[in-house]
Amino acid sequence: GENVEQHPSTLSVQEGDSAVIKCTYSDSASNYFPWYKQELGKRPQLIIDIRSNVGEKKDQRIAVTLNKTAKHFSLHITETQPEDSAVYFCAASGTGGSYIPTFGRGTSLIVHP
Amino acid sequence: IAGITQAPTSQILAAGRRMTLRCTQDMRHNAMYWYRQDLGLGLRLIHYSNTAGTTGKGEVPDGYSVSRANTDDFPLTLASAVPSQTSVYFCASRLVAGDTEAFFGQGTRLTVV
Repeated sequence: GENVEQHPSTLSVQEGDSAVIKCTYSDSASNYFPWYKQELGKRPQLIIDIRSNVGEKKDQRIAVTLNKTAKHFSLHITETQPEDSAVYFCAASGTGGSYIPTFGRGTSLIVHP
Repeated sequence: IAGITQAPTSQILAAGRRMTLRCTQDMRHNAMYWYRQDLGLGLRLIHYSNTAGTTGKGEVPDGYSVSRANTDDFPLTLASAVPSQTSVYFCASRLVAGDTEAFFGQGTRLTVV
């Protein structure tokens, strides 16, 4: 089955700095890579996703890049704000028999004012 | 109901007792999942169902069972609870056709004493 590794487990930045979270996956059949944000005591919610036919996607201060050859994808947050503080999860899933989303272990991002 | 709902939101359970966590969605999603979230371990898949009438085992299925009698409901049962099942449980659902995000319930915080 799919295996997703996520690093770092914790990330502390100053407000206004950039933050980068990296994930690798093992199954070359995976073709959908979402990122979820989980605020304290809340449910995970999608913030951005990327499909295998795209190398990069941006949404305001958030961007995701995908390197299918190397099997890794990254989340980039620019101009971080205190409200960006949360746990971020990457995930990978495919089509056919491997629809099940496999999640990384999460990154706790702390943005200091 | 709007989206996906879990019940109860929290529960304290005596070891050895049987417990069913409920999950209902009104989005007509084919696939439903149960994850447990433990600090430092991320979201681990317990059981899944790709369509009504079928279920499968995830990464940590021991001590848990599920059923999928219809599209909307996906209950998770702990036959005889043990303290190691203390966790936050999330139900999720998604459309299997295409690459689509998973929607999460609000979570159930279960403490087994």
